[in-house]
Amino acid sequence: GAVVSQHPSWVICKSGTSVKIECRSLDFQATTMFWYRQFPKQSLMLMATSNEGSKATYEQGVEKDKFLINHASLTLSTLTVTSAHPEDSSFYICSASGGTAHEKLFFGSGTQLSVL
Amino acid sequence: KQEVTQIPAALSVPEGENLVLNCSFTDSAIYNLQWFRQDPGKGLTSLLLIQSSQREQTSGRLNASLDKSSGRSTLYIAASQPGDSATYLCAATGTASKLTFGTGTRLQVTL
Repeated sequence: GAVVSQHPSWVICKSGTSVKIECRSLDFQATTMFWYRQFPKQSLMLMATSNEGSKATYEQGVEKDKFLINHASLTLSTLTVTSAHPEDSSFYICSASGGTAHEKLFFGSGTQLSVL
Repeated sequence: KQEVTQIPAALSVPEGENLVLNCSFTDSAIYNLQWFRQDPGKGLTSLLLIQSSQREQTSGRLNASLDKSSGRSTLYIAASQPGDSATYLCAATGTASKLTFGTGTRLQVTL
């Protein structure tokens, strides 16, 4: 099956720093990628949808200036958490779609972010 | 706005038992319904995907059913094993391929 690679798996950073998370589709072209956030013992919440070559669409309540998303190529999307604070500590996970509407999505392995 | 609920929130069963996990969704205008498995601190593993036109899907010991009109899906696990212990998530796919996830069921299968 299709593979989505997410890096890093975990990161610890100081408050105020920025953290970049990469999501790559290894064996298919991902026209659309999704970014989710999951707090402990809660379900995944969609943060934003990114389409290759265009601006991301953010869900209500997600700050676009804080969570910068870039989808510059068909195989790579990045999420940058800018000026991270302890409340941003969470599990971030991406998923990718090959473009056919409503087809199966493939998920990365997730990134655990801890902000001190 | 789609809301997805899973019952029970947690379940503990002895090895070998058959079990059913429930998922309900408020908006029946979905394209498909997916079941995932998530191990602690890990990503998601896709288990089964049921298209809106289908009634069920089977994979090994897993069987998922979908009743769109009533807004329900079930995941049946036969002959449970300790390795099945994980959190199981269902997700409904709406417009623009957006998934709305359920609250999850934490399953523990004991020896």
